[in-house]
Amino acid sequence: IVLTQSPDTLSLSPGDRATLSCGASQSISSGFLAWYQQKPGQSPRLLIFGVSSRATGVPDRFSGSGSGTDFSLTISRLEPEDFGVYYCQVFGSSLWTFGQGTKVEIK
Amino acid sequence: QLEESGPGLVKPSETLSLTCTVSGDSINTSSYFWGWVRQPPGGGLEWIGNVYYTGTTNYNPSLKSRVTISVDTSKNQFSLDLTSVTAADTALYYCVRQGRTLLRGTVDNWGRGSLVTVSS
Repeated sequence: IVLTQSPDTLSLSPGDRATLSCGASQSISSGFLAWYQQKPGQSPRLLIFGVSSRATGVPDRFSGSGSGTDFSLTISRLEPEDFGVYYCQVFGSSLWTFGQGTKVEIK
Repeated sequence: QLEESGPGLVKPSETLSLTCTVSGDSINTSSYFWGWVRQPPGGGLEWIGNVYYTGTTNYNPSLKSRVTISVDTSKNQFSLDLTSVTAADTALYYCVRQGRTLLRGTVDNWGRGSLVTVSS
């Protein structure tokens, strides 16, 4: 499965709503779709698993949705600490695959 | 907690070897796989492969011919060997914990990463 994220870069202001997309080359019927956040100089952090479940400690302004081949991560109101790169990831047939990432930058 | 160790510089055509030491958790668990993810400078994430405590492995098909991941349960460690390296293998290498029954299909814990540069 190939994951394609869009857009490559999202330029927004604090308080804005951010919607990040992740498209799969084939249907992800298993529901094993996750999202990660990576800030500069830090390791990635799991945000969302199973398409829409928030990982421990993740604020409720982060939400995941989608089905089939189209998935999205929404940040309802951007906080200054939310700027960074976001990756989607799928698990299937004992393989883990990441999308290329979307950078959320301050406008 | 996961911590990578190994050489920061490897010559072209040689073998890159890294070890991950797991603390505060036992590798001897049915809940997780133990794996490696790499990130080239300024680039995205690439899953390399993983190992179960029994020694069973899964590899990224694009790297499978050059990768070996092994586990040493007595030391609570697992290791990565990548053979015949080129400059394209220069990256930050993360050791990770991957969900098998708990948080299945995710990478839920990451090391800080070990930068490996391939250069003569």
